[in-house]
Amino acid sequence: GENVEQHPSTLSVQEGDSAVIKCTYSDSASNYFPWYKQELGKGPQLIIDIRSNVGEKKDQRIAVTLNKTAKHFSLHITETQPEDSAVYFCAALSRGTDKLIFGTGTRLQVFP
Amino acid sequence: GAVVSQHPSWVICKSGTSVKIECRSLDFQATTMFWYRQFPKQSLMLMATSNEGSKATYEQGVEKDKFLINHASLTLSTLTVTSAHPEDSSFYICSASLPQGLAGSDTQYFGPGTRLTVL
Repeated sequence: GENVEQHPSTLSVQEGDSAVIKCTYSDSASNYFPWYKQELGKGPQLIIDIRSNVGEKKDQRIAVTLNKTAKHFSLHITETQPEDSAVYFCAALSRGTDKLIFGTGTRLQVFP
Repeated sequence: GAVVSQHPSWVICKSGTSVKIECRSLDFQATTMFWYRQFPKQSLMLMATSNEGSKATYEQGVEKDKFLINHASLTLSTLTVTSAHPEDSSFYICSASLPQGLAGSDTQYFGPGTRLTVL
C-alpha cells in the first residue's frame, strides 16, 4: 500500500522567510496530493492540492511542486507570517481508491 | 463553499455510556464521508469509510460494533461510540468528499472535529 513520509517534523522560521516542507510517496499510481493546515484544536483545512498531470501550482504565498519521477512533492510558503504557524500535513491518494494516506505532519513556527 | 460541520464540538461522558457525533456537508452532497481519529501530536488515523445507503467499511483494527457509523443521507453521517471507555478519549474528525468529475479524484474537506473525553 501507499506510504507517505514527511520532513521535517518541526520547522522554525523568522517572519518573512520562506518555509519548505517535503513529502515522498511510495505508490507510483498515486495521482492526487493535497496539503492541509491544522491549527490547535481544529480540523485540517485544505490549503492547496496538485494532481499528477501538472508539476507546480501556486496560490498567492503558497505553492506546491510535484516530481512524479522521484515520487516527491513539496509545499513552499513564502513571506511567512505568524498566522502561518500550525501543523501541516501532506497526503497522497492512489488512483482507484478513495483513501488519503497522510504524512506524519510538520509543526511550523513563525517567529515575529 | 465546501463546508463540513460536526456536532458536538466537545463532549464529556461517563464510562459505559454511548456518544453520537454528527457530520454534515453543508453546501454539497457527499456520497462518501470518512471518520478519523487523532491523538495528541499525531497524524490522522482513518477509522472507516462511510458511503450513503450502504454499510461502512472499517479499517483493520477498528471495532465496528464499538464505532457504529450511519450514513443516512448525502449530507449526514453519524459516528456512535458505544460503551465508551477512557481509552476512547480522543479527537474525532470527519471529512466529506466533493466530487471533481472529469478533473479527477474527489477532494476531501474536513469538519472542525469533536473532542471526546470519557471519565
